[in-house]
Amino acid sequence: QTVVTQEPSFSVSPGGTVTLTCGLSSGSVSSSYYPSWYQQTPGQAPRTLIYSTNIRSSGVPDRFSGSILGNKAALTITGAQADDESDYYCVLYMGSGQKVFGGGTKLTVL
Amino acid sequence: EVQLVESGGGLVQPGGSLRLSCAASGFTFSSYEMNWVRQAPGKGLEWVSYISSSGSTIYYADSVKGRFTISRDNAKNSLYLQMNSLRAEDMAVYYCARGLAATIIDYWGQGTLVTVSS
Repeated sequence: QTVVTQEPSFSVSPGGTVTLTCGLSSGSVSSSYYPSWYQQTPGQAPRTLIYSTNIRSSGVPDRFSGSILGNKAALTITGAQADDESDYYCVLYMGSGQKVFGGGTKLTVL
Repeated sequence: EVQLVESGGGLVQPGGSLRLSCAASGFTFSSYEMNWVRQAPGKGLEWVSYISSSGSTIYYADSVKGRFTISRDNAKNSLYLQMNSLRAEDMAVYYCARGLAATIIDYWGQGTLVTVSS
């Protein structure tokens, strides 16, 4: 069974830059997996940040960017702000409509 | 403004059934693909099901295949999820989510909670 991997937690200083990654338990992530990224704060619905590797969703500031780094998809946040403290999820498209989410990364800004 | 409003969640006994609805507004519903995504308490997101804009193409996660049925009524701007043979592990907040393609989710509803317990 395909497992999508993410760092369980990460911390960044205010104003700093952080890169979260999204990998596969076996194999490499490429743009063919159409990686997407979502932000979720406790008690709220997810918000789409990035889709198709690097396309920002409507209204998402350009502090958020997506890419492929090595064999993983990546979400980079530059100039981290206090309200960036959230859970971040990636999802990969496996074909035939199947999407598999990663376990999420809890980002702390301190 | 895109709005997706889920309803129909509640408490159901194991083995029971529930039908979720999602009312869409602020966009041309019939032009967009739709998904259901769920989140168990304290856990991550899990994709559940997808339906194409016309309803002709449908996919399910293995965990719900044979028990859940996704459908839509484009005349009513509504998406549905019929859930049968519910199990404790189906307990979650269920989100209705709009798709730009089979590969993309762009907007999410606020979710409806399904509790499976005797």
